[in-house]
Amino acid sequence: SQQGEEDPQALSIQEGENATMNCSYKTSINNLQWYRQNSGRGLVHLILIRSNEREKHSGRLRVTLDTSKKSSSLLITASRAADTASYFCATDKGSARQLTFGSGTQLTVLP
Amino acid sequence: ETGVTQSPTHLIKTRGQQVTLRCSSQSGHNTVSWYQQALGQGPQFIFQYYREEENGRGNFPPRFSGLQFPNYSSELNVNALELDDSALYLCALRGQGLSNEQFFGPGTRLTVL
Repeated sequence: SQQGEEDPQALSIQEGENATMNCSYKTSINNLQWYRQNSGRGLVHLILIRSNEREKHSGRLRVTLDTSKKSSSLLITASRAADTASYFCATDKGSARQLTFGSGTQLTVLP
Repeated sequence: ETGVTQSPTHLIKTRGQQVTLRCSSQSGHNTVSWYQQALGQGPQFIFQYYREEENGRGNFPPRFSGLQFPNYSSELNVNALELDDSALYLCALRGQGLSNEQFFGPGTRLTVL
């Protein structure tokens, strides 16, 4: 079963605009990660935020985490056509620390 | 590039057949996980191996089994294939240290006819 749910399911923006994707989850977590996937290929790790952190930055990426609302957001600033991909949040739980993924947001950046 | 390789890239099988998928990396990672990703969905955790022992399993039947070898390469075996097994199969290696960042391979696209 999916732990997280991304919102929106699909997002289309113009190059240069900012893109915001949201993720909600159901149970307590160790940390939350965001991954990117280009058209059915492997996932690439973008950023990890620990449960005791509220905000984290990496280049054009900004991630927030609200554990009281069990939600996270990923902001991509000054988007580029190359940012077109599916974005997944994944929570880390369980003794094996397996990742539980949401269903993803398909981002399309138009040139 | 994550340095994680998977083979084969694509595979077509028929119902009832068996399949073996492989995963390896250039550097040693002692924890490997396998995920199944159906079209339009997020990856679903199948199982995880640590030092050649299975130490976690998702909601998948026993016909999904795995192996991890001393050189840290890994196999996913699926018996009695069903149509719903058609998916992208991803292996992921855990990063070093306390972080649970995972390095994914490019996946194997399995089609069951």
